[in-house]
Amino acid sequence: EADIYQTPRYLVIGTGKKITLECSQTMGHDKMYWYQQDPGMELHLIHYSYGVNSTEKGDLSSESTVSRIRTEHFPLTLESARPSHTSQYLCASSEYSGSYNEQFFGPGTRLTVL
Amino acid sequence: QQQVKQSPQSLIVQKGGISIINCAYENTAFDYFPWYQQFPGKGPALLIAIRPDVSEKKEGRFTISFNKSAKQFSLHIMDSQPGDSATYFCAASKETGANNLFFGTGTRLTVIP
Repeated sequence: EADIYQTPRYLVIGTGKKITLECSQTMGHDKMYWYQQDPGMELHLIHYSYGVNSTEKGDLSSESTVSRIRTEHFPLTLESARPSHTSQYLCASSEYSGSYNEQFFGPGTRLTVL
Repeated sequence: QQQVKQSPQSLIVQKGGISIINCAYENTAFDYFPWYQQFPGKGPALLIAIRPDVSEKKEGRFTISFNKSAKQFSLHIMDSQPGDSATYFCAASKETGANNLFFGTGTRLTVIP
């Protein structure tokens, strides 16, 4: 079954810790995205990738970094977590054909930094 | 700068009633307007989408109305059901270039029995 997975689903961590949020998809999609979602706010695009070895920053400035070594895997890393990083992080993927493409979202990771 | 403005922030509708959510955009280069539905604990999922060459698109109880001159589009949910209770996001993108989606702030819909 084609799907998009995120782990962990919930993470509570102390300030200064390094964390990696995992995202994997089994649909063979070229394009992948990371969004930050806060209550009552729009989804903010923080990173995206067109394919392997391609990463771009999104519209919202973020201290996180991403990598795309394999098509199916798009992890997000925070080198030193801070309380301001507390948020919901959503991963998505789509086919990339230069045209309109449905984005498929994972269930999200809710991050709390104490 | 918010690319897509959405209202209302929350909406309570009686079962069987019509739910209406409105969105407006400024960038005339946008040419794809999807609506996403998100249930608690889940990621958003595509509900219905429209392109500006038509003024209306209907899929079951869900209809998008599009007004190109006013740069507005809306989602209508007919015969609203408690199972429709969710957060709805409008979005917009353009076909060329990065074609990333710009989302509205979301509307939390509650349908009461």
